[in-house]
Parts: sequence; C-alpha cells; structure tokens
Amino acid sequence: EVQLVESGGGFVQPGGSLRLSCSASGFTLSTYAMTWVRQAPRRGLEWVATISSSGGATFYADSVKGRLTISRDIPKSTLYLQMTSLRAEDTAMYYCVKEFCTRTSCYGFDSWGQGAQVTVSS
Amino acid sequence: DIQMTQSPSSLSSSVGDRVTITCRASQNISNYLSWYQQRPGEAPKLLIFAAASLHSAVPSRFSGGGSGTDFTVTINSLQPEDVATYYCQQHYRNPLTFGGGTKVEIK
Repeated sequence: EVQLVESGGGFVQPGGSLRLSCSASGFTLSTYAMTWVRQAPRRGLEWVATISSSGGATFYADSVKGRLTISRDIPKSTLYLQMTSLRAEDTAMYYCVKEFCTRTSCYGFDSWGQGAQVTVSS
Repeated sequence: DIQMTQSPSSLSSSVGDRVTITCRASQNISNYLSWYQQRPGEAPKLLIFAAASLHSAVPSRFSGGGSGTDFTVTINSLQPEDVATYYCQQHYRNPLTFGGGTKVEIK
C-alpha cells in the first residue's frame, strides 16, 4: 500500500526557512514523478513543484521559483521541499503527491499525504 | 499557462439528484484532465483520470466526459457522502493547473 507522510511544517517568520520532508512507502521514488501541491486557507489547490522520475528534471511554479527547491533521497525514500525567503503568501497546507500512470501515459496524482501546515507570519 | 475554469463555484442539490460540474481549459489539453474530490478536513482524492476513466474504488455513480477544452463530471444520484469540493486539473503541460473548485452541498 502506498503511503506518503509529510513532516517539518511549522510557524516561521517572513524571510525564514523551513524544510518539508515526505516519507514514501509502498513504491520506489525513482519510478514516478513526485510533486508538492499547496492549499492556502479556504483556497483552492496550487501546484508548487515537480521532480521527474529520473530526478534529472525539476519544475517550479513562477510564484516559488528561486525560493523553493524540490529534491529527493532514493535510499531514504524521502522527498524534500527546501523553503527559503518565505513570505506570508506561502502560508498553506503542503501536500506531497505521487504521479498516477497507466501503461500508456501519466495523469494526475493518485496518492496524497495528509499534509504539512506551514504558517509564515511575524 | 493553461487556465482551468470551473462552473458553478458552488451548488446545492437534493439526495438522489443528478449533478454536473463543468471545467473549461484555455487551450486544447486532449484528455489530460483529472478530477479530484476533497471532503472537509481531508486531502484530495483522485476520482477520474484521462477525462473519463474512473479511478479504482470510485463509485459508479460518478462519470466523466469531454476532450479538448470542455469537460464534465457527473454524479448520477447524489449521496450525503458526496458533500465535498471538486477540482479539475490539467496534466498536459507545466505549470500544472487546477480549476478553482466546485463546492457541492446537500439541500
């Protein structure tokens, strides 16, 4: 059974840093692209960053480019999101999600963690 | 960026009613469209992928359709456990984008 468990969320002042971790089990991280999706309070879903299955490519939303970095450690089966220069608008629940693939293509995200809350405030 | 526009933003219907939610993409995304259900206090769950394919364990009262730019998800007989916010999402091109959500309530 696939499980994704986030940790590392918390309260941080503007300009501060935080690192989110996502412990994955039930599959191998190198088999699927992995993504962080966030949801601000009472708001919709926002794609944040993706790391390809090979690990050779990363993609970021314009709103976080240069400040947030997605990475992974295959032996530890852990996905990371390093967050720096945090702003109030980064306040959100951050979900670690796994790509869903059929034999022919990939669509959407079929596994979601429970989320890690990040609050940026002075 | 590909914009995803959902309508309506909220709806209220009776148990047993048929409910349809629409999602429009700002450009052709073929069938790279997924639907998610997010119940209050929970993480989203994949309902439909490739525009019309039901994910495993999703009740058959849910169905999806469309291709290109216009898509729908239909609940054929609304049940109390379907109270949730529903999101569409395009997986055609980065940045991946979601619709604004449709909140479904029971009348």
